[in-house]
Amino acid sequence: QIQLVQSGPELKKPGESVKISCKASGYTFTDYAMHWVKQAPGKGLKWMGWINTYTGKPTYADDFKGRFVFSLEASASTANLQISNLKNEDTATYFCARSHYYSSFNYWGQGVMVTVSS
Amino acid sequence: NIVLTQSPATLSVTPGESVSLSCRASQSISTSIHWYQQKSNESPRLLIKYASQSISGIPSRFSGSGSGTDFTLSINRVESEDFSIYYCQQSYSSLFTFGSGTKLEIK
Repeated sequence: QIQLVQSGPELKKPGESVKISCKASGYTFTDYAMHWVKQAPGKGLKWMGWINTYTGKPTYADDFKGRFVFSLEASASTANLQISNLKNEDTATYFCARSHYYSSFNYWGQGVMVTVSS
Repeated sequence: NIVLTQSPATLSVTPGESVSLSCRASQSISTSIHWYQQKSNESPRLLIKYASQSISGIPSRFSGSGSGTDFTLSINRVESEDFSIYYCQQSYSSLFTFGSGTKLEIK
């Protein structure tokens, strides 16, 4: 069956970096785009961007340009999100989600809680 | 960027009532709108794709309609398990966006 399994919760200090993984199984990894979605505590869903799993090209939403990097380990069917110079406002749950290109998100990871606190 | 405006922010209903949730786009997006349900501490779940296309495994009481800028998610006879938050999302542009959500609560 199709699954997106994300890495575990993270507790970081401001200024540190974090790398979150999303391991896909049950389908051909490069046939679908992988997206990242942020949900701050008690807030709505915010689309961060996506990565073309065939070419490796990332696209970032305006609010996520600069400190955020999407990458792939295609041989391991894994997508990664790295956030550098963490700020308190990065405290959130981060989801990966699969889509056909320019389509809906039909599978989601379980989410990773990242807490940034001094 | 395409802005999606959902209304109302909160909808209080009694189980058994039928409801309509609205999502309005800041520009025409054809039928490139999708609807999700999110229960507390869970990942979102796709309910409807491309405005009105049903999803396997989703109860038939959920339906969608609309095109252009105005879209509606309808729930026929709300059940207790339906009380959660609903989001719309557009895939018309290369920069996707979500609406701010509608919370469906028990009256």
